[in-house]
Amino acid sequence: KNEVEQSPQNLTAQEGEFITINCSYSVGISALHWLQQHPGGGIVSLFMLSSGKKKHGRLIATINIQEKHSSLHITASHPRDSAVYICALGEGSNYKLTFGKGTLLTVNP
Amino acid sequence: DGGITQSPKYLFRKEGQNVTLSCEQNLNHDAMYWYRQDPGQGLRLIYYSQIVNDFQKGDIAEGYSVSREKKESFPLTVTSAQKNPTAFYLCASSIGRATDTQYFGPGTRLTVL
Repeated sequence: KNEVEQSPQNLTAQEGEFITINCSYSVGISALHWLQQHPGGGIVSLFMLSSGKKKHGRLIATINIQEKHSSLHITASHPRDSAVYICALGEGSNYKLTFGKGTLLTVNP
Repeated sequence: DGGITQSPKYLFRKEGQNVTLSCEQNLNHDAMYWYRQDPGQGLRLIYYSQIVNDFQKGDIAEGYSVSREKKESFPLTVTSAQKNPTAFYLCASSIGRATDTQYFGPGTRLTVL
């Protein structure tokens, strides 16, 4: 079974700071997903990565397949970025995802 | 607008009662999923369905049941056999495999009194 570890568990930042959230896993995967969960509970998919790097607005996601590690970066953070960020792993043709416990990000004005 | 809906947002039930949570999608997705979320834990898969009239147990299926009679709908019944049903329940759908983006509903918060 693939083990997924996210760090840090909690992160507090000041508005404008550069944020990095990390995700490490133990077994090779076919895809890694980054998700965002706002306080209301709804979850939005931010990225799906199988290699390299993706960018959307102020969000950047990278993955290193050899090191079994992914990072989610937020540039010029804003209070509206406050949410739980979740890493999820997809393996082969398996329909099931393995979810990390999430990182709670709080951005203060 | 295309999307996935869950109802109700909040649900209260007495212990020992069965309760059914609704999940509907109009994204024309084949795959649908039910997850449970508890504080401090990652999402855990209850059941998933790859296609109409077919579904598979996830990691924590005991005490739950599902049906998939229509492509758009995947209701979850929390039975009285579920020992600790109070939780946040999320439904999701995707085109197919784990490499595909999953689209989540807004969730239902179930409280058993």
